[in-house]
Amino acid sequence: DIQMTQSPSSLSASVGDRVTITCQASQDISKYLIWYQQKPGKAPKLLIYDASNLEIGVPSRFSGSGSGTDFTFTISSLQPEDIATYHCQQYHNLPRTFGQGTKLEIK
Amino acid sequence: EVQLLESGGGLVQPGGSLRLSCAASGFTFSSFAMSWVRQAPGKGLEWVSTISANGDSTFYADSVKGRFTISRDNSKNTLYVQMNSLRAEDTAVYYCAKNSAYTYGYFESWGQGTLVSVSS
Repeated sequence: DIQMTQSPSSLSASVGDRVTITCQASQDISKYLIWYQQKPGKAPKLLIYDASNLEIGVPSRFSGSGSGTDFTFTISSLQPEDIATYHCQQYHNLPRTFGQGTKLEIK
Repeated sequence: EVQLLESGGGLVQPGGSLRLSCAASGFTFSSFAMSWVRQAPGKGLEWVSTISANGDSTFYADSVKGRFTISRDNSKNTLYVQMNSLRAEDTAVYYCAKNSAYTYGYFESWGQGTLVSVSS
């Protein structure tokens, strides 16, 4: 199974800050990486697919980059409504595997 | 608009069975693979199972293989998972998800989830 290592596990930042989360795969997954946002008590929401493609309707302050084993998710200017847990997930192989999540809080 | 509505969760004793359903609308159900993903309380996300668009191919996580059976009824736009021999570690919110492709792909849309609690 492909292991996805996400860091940090939690993050506190101020409104307007640039926030970066990383995800590392245990083997080459090419571009097959997803980023989800999950607000408390809600289902995950797709933000980015194919490592860097923004889902329709997702604000442009969200972005993703990377390929192979190393990936980055960025919020360019943190907004209060971005408080959530963010998950990465590979879809290169079965079983689909997720990172452990990054809980983002407002400072 | 894609809508996925899970039902069938509840409290069950260890060794018991439960069947979850997911009613889908807002897209051509028979053209997309569908999946179940679960999240134990306070934990991360875990893929459980996927079924291809026509139901011919099914895939399972090792943790549920031999105990869970995924199925679909394209005439009713409904996805199912039959869960047998339930264990305490199966306790989780179970999400139904629409895949992005006919067979595999990624999880494009999610339902609101249904809670399964396995306890005596």
